[in-house]
Amino acid sequence: DTGVSQNPRHKITKRGQNVTFRCDPISEHNRLYWYRQTLGQGPEFLTYFQNEAQLEKSRLLSDRFSAERPKGSFSTLEIQRTEQGDSAMYLCASSLRTDTQYFGPGTRLTVL
Amino acid sequence: KQEVTQIPAALSVPEGENLVLNCSFTDSAIYNLQWFRQDPGKGLTSLLLIQSSQREQTSGRLNASLDKSSGRSTLYIAASQPGDSATYLCAAGGLTGGGNKLTFGTGTQLKVEL
Repeated sequence: DTGVSQNPRHKITKRGQNVTFRCDPISEHNRLYWYRQTLGQGPEFLTYFQNEAQLEKSRLLSDRFSAERPKGSFSTLEIQRTEQGDSAMYLCASSLRTDTQYFGPGTRLTVL
Repeated sequence: KQEVTQIPAALSVPEGENLVLNCSFTDSAIYNLQWFRQDPGKGLTSLLLIQSSQREQTSGRLNASLDKSSGRSTLYIAASQPGDSATYLCAAGGLTGGGNKLTFGTGTQLKVEL
């Protein structure tokens, strides 16, 4: 069990650029979640996958955001045409069934 | 819409003191309640999960209780240590499409002083 991993750990980009983050869940976990956390706040739910199916998306996930989980393994979160308001920590979590969610270290995005 | 509140926002205690962190939620129809620890700039570490049918869970010096009817959970930390210094987050879980969507509070920032 190597835990949940996320790459990159830090990303600095200019406004208007596209960015993509990757999450590798714990190997046997079939559920994968993305959350976003801004400074001084708790994480906010963005989207959820069960295997390869994306079953729920938050209203926070605008049209500029897209997430995939091909073959039910790793997941990617892409943000197109980044805005300064997208600056945040993006957290990925995985779980087996609806049990404890295990979080990765996060990707910190800074949009200049 | 579920809302989660944590009180106090910050807490400073001397080493060795027992302490209680509070969490309240507005919708009692939760699936479970999870407590996490977050160190600065890091991800979340799961501490305890209480299913909706349970009243409490214990792990080492930590004890978490759940009262669904009143919409409250508490995290009790015994004999606090400087290494316990971190932000503690509670999250109410709600079932969604076979998953468990967590709604977080804003956390309690704990500092344990020597």
